[in-house]
Amino acid sequence: AQSVTQLGSHVSVSEGALVLLRCNYSSSVPPYLFWYVQYPNQGLQLLLKYTSAATLVKGINGFEAEFKKSETSFHLTKPSAHMSDAAEYFCAVSELKGKLIFGQGTTLQVKP
Amino acid sequence: DGGITQSPKYLFRKEGQNVTLSCEQNLNHDAMYWYRQDPGQGLRLIYYSQIVNDFQKGDIAEGYSVSREKKESFPLTVTSAQKNPTAFYLCASSPDGDRTGGYEQYFGPGTRLTVT
Repeated sequence: AQSVTQLGSHVSVSEGALVLLRCNYSSSVPPYLFWYVQYPNQGLQLLLKYTSAATLVKGINGFEAEFKKSETSFHLTKPSAHMSDAAEYFCAVSELKGKLIFGQGTTLQVKP
Repeated sequence: DGGITQSPKYLFRKEGQNVTLSCEQNLNHDAMYWYRQDPGQGLRLIYYSQIVNDFQKGDIAEGYSVSREKKESFPLTVTSAQKNPTAFYLCASSPDGDRTGGYEQYFGPGTRLTVT
């Protein structure tokens, strides 16, 4: 069965610093992988998705993620953090019948 | 604008009462999903439906019920049998629930249910 592990429930960076949110997955088949962002008391918004077309995936708001099969990882990065990036981020892997398996989430804090 | 609506945004109920959460989508998606979100636990799947008049239990279906009489609607009822119903509930949809991945899910704004 597929599973997702997000390393670090809380990550704190300074404004302008690199953002790195870690995600490792377990899948018995080539995975489809997703990153979502959630602002307080709102639904989830898709940041980007990997569907095997390219290992480096660019998303919205300057985020990107790199699929590394050998490391079973799909880490999310952004070169320069902005205050508006403060939110909770979820990594997910696709399962049968369109279901998604979500990680526990990582809360990103951006300090001025 | 196409999207998913959930109502109400906040809902308060007394213990022992059933309550129904609304979810409507105008994206013409076949598949719809209900998730429960608790702090530090990510999203857990309650029920999902790939087609009208059919639905399946997710990981935490006990104490919940759903119906899918119309393609655009997937209401969730939280029954009095649910031992700890206070949570944030999210509805989602995707174009095709029958494929093995590839399609993202689109989420509604959520309903925060508080039971006292």
